[in-house]
Amino acid sequence: ETGVTQSPTHLIKTRGQQVTLRCSSQSGHNTVSWYQQALGQGPQFIFQYYREEENGRGNFPPRFSGLQFPNYSSELNVNALELDDSALYLCASSLFSGSNYGYTFGSGTRLTVV
Amino acid sequence: DQQVKQNSPSLSVQEGRISILNCDYTNSMFDYFLWYKKYPAEGPTFLISISSIKDKNEDGRFTVFLNKSAKHLSLHIVPSQPGDSAVYFCAASTNTGNQFYFGTGTSLTVIP
Repeated sequence: ETGVTQSPTHLIKTRGQQVTLRCSSQSGHNTVSWYQQALGQGPQFIFQYYREEENGRGNFPPRFSGLQFPNYSSELNVNALELDDSALYLCASSLFSGSNYGYTFGSGTRLTVV
Repeated sequence: DQQVKQNSPSLSVQEGRISILNCDYTNSMFDYFLWYKKYPAEGPTFLISISSIKDKNEDGRFTVFLNKSAKHLSLHIVPSQPGDSAVYFCAASTNTGNQFYFGTGTSLTVIP
């Protein structure tokens, strides 16, 4: 059973650019959630995808968007990058969308915006 | 608005002693709580959970206590081991929700 894998592990982008982060969910999991963890903070919910549909969104602007593919892998896209977008982006997969089900987190993508 | 708070950013404990990590929350609708452990360069790893119908859940060296009236939970690690040194996050959710609200974490150092 493979866990959650995220790519790339590190990324440096310039303010105003666009970035795509990728996540492969754990085998058998159909739900993917994305979290942003700024330095010294706890992870904050960006959005969740369940069976290829967005299933809840946190307090993030529309320039944060996502996709889930038929194999349940997912992408997080961020347009018009700002310096404050620098953070660790975590992907978590679960068997169902309800939060009471176990979530498996990936190791994250460290994004630095300069 | 921080709905889940961990007021101690760090904690140092001698090996073999008890570690107590605390967490407070403000939303009375939260009914499911988790503790995650995070090592550097790794994602959070699930440690233990508790639902609001219980006030205690135990798993080996780890015990979580929930005090709903005080909106407080704590994680006890007995005995503490050097491998327990990590950042511990408390997280909460509602029974209809699909997201976790995380605290800011407590960095535990277990001194050999």
